Amino acid sequence: DAKTTQPPSMDCAEGRAANLPCNHSTISGNEYVYWYRQIHSQGPQYIIHGLKNNETNEMASLIITEDRKSSTLILPHATLRDTAVYYCIVRVGSSNTGKLIFGQGTTLQVKP
Amino acid sequence: DGGITQSPKYLFRKEGQNVTLSCEQNLNHDAMYWYRQDPGQGLRLIYYSQIVNDFQKGDIAEGYSVSREKKESFPLTVTSAQKNPTAFYLCASSRQYPHTEAFFGQGTRLTVV
Repeated sequence: DAKTTQPPSMDCAEGRAANLPCNHSTISGNEYVYWYRQIHSQGPQYIIHGLKNNETNEMASLIITEDRKSSTLILPHATLRDTAVYYCIVRVGSSNTGKLIFGQGTTLQVKP
Repeated sequence: DGGITQSPKYLFRKEGQNVTLSCEQNLNHDAMYWYRQDPGQGLRLIYYSQIVNDFQKGDIAEGYSVSREKKESFPLTVTSAQKNPTAFYLCASSRQYPHTEAFFGQGTRLTVV
């Protein structure tokens, strides 16, 4: 199964962009990269996902390297409410067996 | 509103007792998942189900059991064989294809005394 590696913690100033990296060097060609975040004691919240092209939605942007071995989640203007644990996940297997394997995540602290 | 519901939010049990955690979804999702989270740790997969009447073990299935008799429901039983059952349990559901996000419940915090 493809695994992900993330830094355990990061800080970001309020209003600045937060760039959260993720390594997934063993990712297979049909495996998607997903990002979720978890605010303390709540269920994780979906942010974005992608296969090989860069993606953007109202919450964030996802940049995937050409070799697909790493990706970066970008929160363009971080706010205090973005303080959370961010998980980078590779959805393992084919589209018919896509279990979600979570890593340890990155704790993002947004500071005033 | 559509969503995924876990109940109860807090659960207390005596050691040696089996306990069942409820997870219901009205999103018409085929896949459902159970995760365990310990303090300061990430989520670990206990069981998952791709379709009714079928489920697979995740990374830490020992001491747990599940059933999937209905598409909407995926209850988790924490048995007395689970050595350290006190944890935060999260249920999720997703469509199988095309690839879309998983939706999580708000979790059940189980304390065994």
